[in-house]
Amino acid sequence: DARVTQTPRHKVTEMGQEVTMRCQPILGHNTVFWYRQTMMQGLELLAYFRNRAPLDDSGMPKDRFSAEMPDATLATLKIQPSEPRDSAVYFCASGPHLGGTGATGELFFGEGSRLTVL
Amino acid sequence: GQSLEQPSEVTAVEGAIVQINCTYQTSGFYGLSWYQQHDGGAPTFLSYNGLDGLEETGRFSSFLSRSDSYGYLLLQELQMKDSASYFCAVRDRGSGGYQKVTFGIGTKLQVIP
Repeated sequence: DARVTQTPRHKVTEMGQEVTMRCQPILGHNTVFWYRQTMMQGLELLAYFRNRAPLDDSGMPKDRFSAEMPDATLATLKIQPSEPRDSAVYFCASGPHLGGTGATGELFFGEGSRLTVL
Repeated sequence: GQSLEQPSEVTAVEGAIVQINCTYQTSGFYGLSWYQQHDGGAPTFLSYNGLDGLEETGRFSSFLSRSDSYGYLLLQELQMKDSASYFCAVRDRGSGGYQKVTFGIGTKLQVIP
């Protein structure tokens, strides 16, 4: 049963600490997205990759957030230093090539990482 | 810029029909998707419209009018388990020329007995 796996599921940390969230996309998917969900902003697009290359990370606060794909089975989102306003659920989603024939843009989401920064 | 608008909340009675509208503004538009998210869960894909018209999948249907930049999700024979948030999402071209998927803020549907 192919699925996107995210770790950790829950993280409580103190302001100023580094936080790293990890995502294993579905094997064979070449697009990976990071979204942040809050009550006020809904699902915000932070960054996305195709074939491990970062295409757009304009949604991320550049001074503290970074996203990478060190290999095809791992995507990471790092916050350093973390702040209370970063508290949210962070979702990773993967999908097949968006521009492919018959593509629908269907994304498969992980269960999310719920981050609380005190 | 880019924006999606959908109602924040909708309440409907079990067994009834409800329509959730979505309007969007974007360039390089490819299609409109709908996702369902139960509280504490992950968004899951419901439907996609790349062309104008109606797509039907069981009790759910989705409609798109590209000329009006408008779409809707229609849920029929509502069940209590349909209580969830529903997101419209556009597949479009980002500033770098690559396709991406951007979500609306979501509509919280409450189904009441």
